[in-house]
Amino acid sequence: GAVVSQHPSRVICKSGTSVKIECRSLDFQATTMFWYRQFPKKSLMLMATSNEGSKATYEQGVEKDKFLINHASLTLSTLTVTSAHPEDSSFYICSARDPSRTSGEQFFGPGTRLTVL
Amino acid sequence: AQTVTQSQPEMSVQEAETVTLSCTYDTSESDYYLFWYKQPPSRQMILVIRQEAYKQQNATENRFSVNFQKAAKSFSLKISDSQLGDAAMYFCAYRSRSTGTASKLTFGTGTRLQVTL
Repeated sequence: GAVVSQHPSRVICKSGTSVKIECRSLDFQATTMFWYRQFPKKSLMLMATSNEGSKATYEQGVEKDKFLINHASLTLSTLTVTSAHPEDSSFYICSARDPSRTSGEQFFGPGTRLTVL
Repeated sequence: AQTVTQSQPEMSVQEAETVTLSCTYDTSESDYYLFWYKQPPSRQMILVIRQEAYKQQNATENRFSVNFQKAAKSFSLKISDSQLGDAAMYFCAYRSRSTGTASKLTFGTGTRLQVTL
């Protein structure tokens, strides 16, 4: 149980285009999902907390107009990188909390590698 | 704000030997969770072990155990009988037991573990 999927696993796009990444909780309902960015050999940096049915909460320094987050259902959150530039190239990871569990952990998706040419 | 510190960027251990990864954290809260996550080359984040702060007993999961020292704010991971598959990046993480945005994880910078023959 507690499986999180991400799609796509890899995406290459041209500078100036927008890219959408999906994060799905497959066997539980996630009222809260999290989006992280990870640079090579670095730790995960939390970008935003996605709450179902309400606006996302962005971490300091993250441009909300550039990284659009939508959490329209209890099993799906999307991250759209708008007008992508080469500096947006990174590994993006989502995670979700299962509110029915008291164990407190987050379950992670396999990540999406974004390359902007 | 909470902080998590991993002072060992890299560690190496021989197969079948034991290794301990260090983690310290800073918080003013009394009730929280601590986690160790493993990130192998596939980059999928995998939960290794969790500890609830109100539990005095150290958590164990097969070859993995922790030494949780609440007063010292220390949470080290011991891997016994190391295997080649244990080679990965290990992240220590903290989570408040509160709900809402406080449920986000705070990660350390990671320790890269090499396992040699």
